[in-house]
Amino acid sequence: GQQLNQSPQSMFIQEGEDVSMNCTSSSIFNTWLWYKQDPGEGPVLLIALYKAGELTSNGRLTAQFGITRKDSFLNISASIPSDVGIYFCAGQGDNSGGSNYKLTFGKGTLLTVNP
Amino acid sequence: GAVVSQHPSRVICKSGTSVKIECRSLDFQATTMFWYRQFPKQSLMLMATSNEGSKATYEQGVEKDKFLINHASLTLSTLTVTSAHPEDSSFYICSASSTAPGQPQHFGDGTRLSIL
Repeated sequence: GQQLNQSPQSMFIQEGEDVSMNCTSSSIFNTWLWYKQDPGEGPVLLIALYKAGELTSNGRLTAQFGITRKDSFLNISASIPSDVGIYFCAGQGDNSGGSNYKLTFGKGTLLTVNP
Repeated sequence: GAVVSQHPSRVICKSGTSVKIECRSLDFQATTMFWYRQFPKQSLMLMATSNEGSKATYEQGVEKDKFLINHASLTLSTLTVTSAHPEDSSFYICSASSTAPGQPQHFGDGTRLSIL
C-alpha cells in the first residue's frame, strides 16, 4: 500500500542535542500522527495534529502539520537516553475514498542517543 | 490516556496450531479496530479493519480464511491465525480508536508469534 516518505532513516546523536525528522506525502491527510515504538512493544502516540498549519508541543516534543497537508515534522529538544527508539509518522483520512480511519505509516526513524 | 490491551504478548507453538490473539479497549468503546503485522526493522503493515458487528475488511493480499477476525463487542476484537506455519511467525499488533470521529488510533503492546 501507499507509504509516506520519512527521513532520516536513522540518527545517531549525543545526549542533549536536538533532533528533527519529517514526513512527506503525495496525498493530502486530514490528520497527522507521530508514534514512538520501543523494541518488542506497540507504538505509543506522541502527538496528534488535526489542522493544517497546527503546531503542537508535548514536553520536549514539537510537531507541525504542514500547511499543504502533505507533510509534517517532529522535533525533539535536549535529547535524553530514553528517547531511543523508532519514531513513525502516520497520516489518517486521505480523502481518496478509502476508510477515513485507516493509517498510512512512514518507514520509521531509528534514533540512537549516546549518553 | 486511552489503553488498548493485547493478549498474549508471546506465543510459541507447533506448525499446524491455530492461535487466537485478543485486543481489548479498556477505557473506551471502539467500533473499529485494526490488525497489523510487523516484520523486523520494518514499518507496520495493515492486515485488516475489524468492524463491530460486521465482517472485517481485509487488505489486498491478506488471506481472510487464514486470518480470522471477530469483533463481537465494542471493546473486543480477536485475530485467529489458523493452521499456523513458520512463515506466519511475526509481530502482530492491534489498534483501536474511539467511536468519536477523528480520534487517533491507540496500539496494543503486540504479540510475538513464533511457529516452530
